[in-house]
Amino acid sequence: QQQVKQSPQSLIVQKGGISIINCAYENTAFDYFPWYQQFPGKGPALLIAIRPDVSEKKEGRFTISFNKSAKQFSLHIMDSQPGDSATYFCAASTSSSYKLIFGSGTRLLVRP
Amino acid sequence: GAVVSQHPSWVICKSGTSVKIECRSLDFQATTMFWYRQFPKQSLMLMATSNEGSKATYEQGVEKDKFLINHASLTLSTLTVTSAHPEDSSFYICSARDVQNHQPQHFGDGTRLSIL
Repeated sequence: QQQVKQSPQSLIVQKGGISIINCAYENTAFDYFPWYQQFPGKGPALLIAIRPDVSEKKEGRFTISFNKSAKQFSLHIMDSQPGDSATYFCAASTSSSYKLIFGSGTRLLVRP
Repeated sequence: GAVVSQHPSWVICKSGTSVKIECRSLDFQATTMFWYRQFPKQSLMLMATSNEGSKATYEQGVEKDKFLINHASLTLSTLTVTSAHPEDSSFYICSARDVQNHQPQHFGDGTRLSIL
């Protein structure tokens, strides 16, 4: 019930391409879905987050698509840049506990 | 923006010693802080939820006597790894939730703990 499944495990994209990472959840009580970016030796940094009352949210080159009926959400990185090379984690939480349940992570490599 | 500071960033110590890690919210008050552990190339696993002025809540499988958490003020939580052993070597990360906002959690930059 608490699991968040993330795919792919790793992703290689050419500079300028679109990176897409997918997540699926089981617990319908989740009502907050953030994406985090983590560089080696650093803590995760919030990229963008969405709540289930909207199906899409865009901030700059980052877009979250949310499908409540399918219990899936995805991160799209447009015009991917080498500086985007990092590990990306999706997560989910509820308003009652605020505990973040993380996906397994996706290692993104953007080739110049 | 909101900043969470962790100290130390890296610590190496001998097996059997205790290590204290500090997590501070620098520009906001945090009634709730969270402690995570991350092994190499793995995800973050929540260890415990730290509430100011009360006992921490530990996740299943986390030994509360091994990982002592104290949240003495609205800006400081500490994690003490007692009698550390090599298997406790990991990347420990804290996060803090601003009392003014339900989300997001702000993360520290982590503490790399190496037990020899």
